[in-house]
Amino acid sequence: DAKTTQPTSMDCAEGRAANLPCNHSTISGNEYVYWYRQIHSQGPQYIIHGLKNNETNEMASLIITEDRKSSTLILPHATLRDTAVYYCIVRGWANAGKSTFGDGTTLTVKP
Amino acid sequence: GAVVSQHPSWVICKSGTSVKIECRSLDFQATTMFWYRQFPKQSLMLMATSNEGSKATYEQGVEKDKFLINHASLTLSTLTVTSAHPEDSSFYICSASPGYGNTIYFGEGSWLTVV
Repeated sequence: DAKTTQPTSMDCAEGRAANLPCNHSTISGNEYVYWYRQIHSQGPQYIIHGLKNNETNEMASLIITEDRKSSTLILPHATLRDTAVYYCIVRGWANAGKSTFGDGTTLTVKP
Repeated sequence: GAVVSQHPSWVICKSGTSVKIECRSLDFQATTMFWYRQFPKQSLMLMATSNEGSKATYEQGVEKDKFLINHASLTLSTLTVTSAHPEDSSFYICSASPGYGNTIYFGEGSWLTVV
């Protein structure tokens, strides 16, 4: 799996958009970008994933650069409950689920 | 959506005893499940890959005789921490996927405290 680099921590004001970057410069053509978050003392929660195109679901949007070497997770209207550690993971299609976690980004949403 | 459930959520055991943690995929079958360990303020570390009907594959540095994994059915994998010691106290998390390329789902995690 490609290595990812994320900022250690970020703050965001409640109600504003939270933009979390991830660098994955060694990503290969068949690897997807996955985002998970982990709220304290819970298992990771799936947020979104994508290959090339930008993706949006009810939780977030994922913007992947054209060269696929970086991506941004966007939480459009952050709430206090979005405070968590966010992990960006890159893994291949053929991988049945084995994931390598980096240190992630600790997002703190402030009132 | 797909759910992966772990049991127990937390357990306290005495040093030297063994404890079993279960991981179930509730609405899909999983030929492969994964076990992670997470120490406080650290990221998840993959321990092993649980394969239905065959031996588990352990990551480098993980003692296979200490962390016994059994994947007896397509919906259940168990992790047994044998002869537990206080340094085994950690948050243990499992994950599973309905198939190649599909989303990976994680269990709620199990807190193990060895006293």
